[in-house]
Amino acid sequence: DAKTTQPPSMDCAEGRAANLPCNHSTISGNEYVYWYRQIHSQGPQYIIHGLKNNETNEMASLIITEDRKSSTLILPHATLRDTAVYYCIVRSTTGNQFYFGTGTSLTVIP
Amino acid sequence: SAVISQKPSRDICQRGTSLTIQCQVDSQVTMMFWYRQQPGQSLTLIATANQGSEATYESGFVIDKFPISRPNLTFSTLTVSNMSPEDSSIYLCSVVGPRGDTEAFFGQGTRLTVV
Repeated sequence: DAKTTQPPSMDCAEGRAANLPCNHSTISGNEYVYWYRQIHSQGPQYIIHGLKNNETNEMASLIITEDRKSSTLILPHATLRDTAVYYCIVRSTTGNQFYFGTGTSLTVIP
Repeated sequence: SAVISQKPSRDICQRGTSLTIQCQVDSQVTMMFWYRQQPGQSLTLIATANQGSEATYESGFVIDKFPISRPNLTFSTLTVSNMSPEDSSIYLCSVVGPRGDTEAFFGQGTRLTVV
């Protein structure tokens, strides 16, 4: 199963865009990239996912490089409530399991 | 989406005892998973709970320590057996809907402390 690498922590000013990178260089052609976040003491919350094309929803945008070896999650206007640990996950296509990496702890600063 | 209820939400247990955690989903789901989150760590997949058959365990996890049941498409249990302080973690249930490409949903977890 493809492994992901993320920076352990990042800061972002409130109101600015938060760009969270993820490397998944061993990703297979049919494996999806998912992003989740976990606010302290809560279960992980789904944000967005994609295969090849860039995706956007009401929460965030996902930019996947053409070679699919990396991706960036963009929170366009970060708020204090976006402070959380963000996980980039490559979903297994065999058993559909979600394997979590170490994640990025994002702190939004007032 | 799926709404997941886990019971208990937290417990403090004596070492050597066992605790069974329940996961109830408000709709029939294809796949259910159990995760462990040790203090300050990421989530680690324990096993896939298979309806009507034995669970599929990840490397490092065994059935004797973490027996799992899944009697139907909306319910599963995870038992943490013969507990030690190292088992103190948050245990989370997760489900994936009937469509294979949908996201996974997570319960709020069971916070277990072993003393």
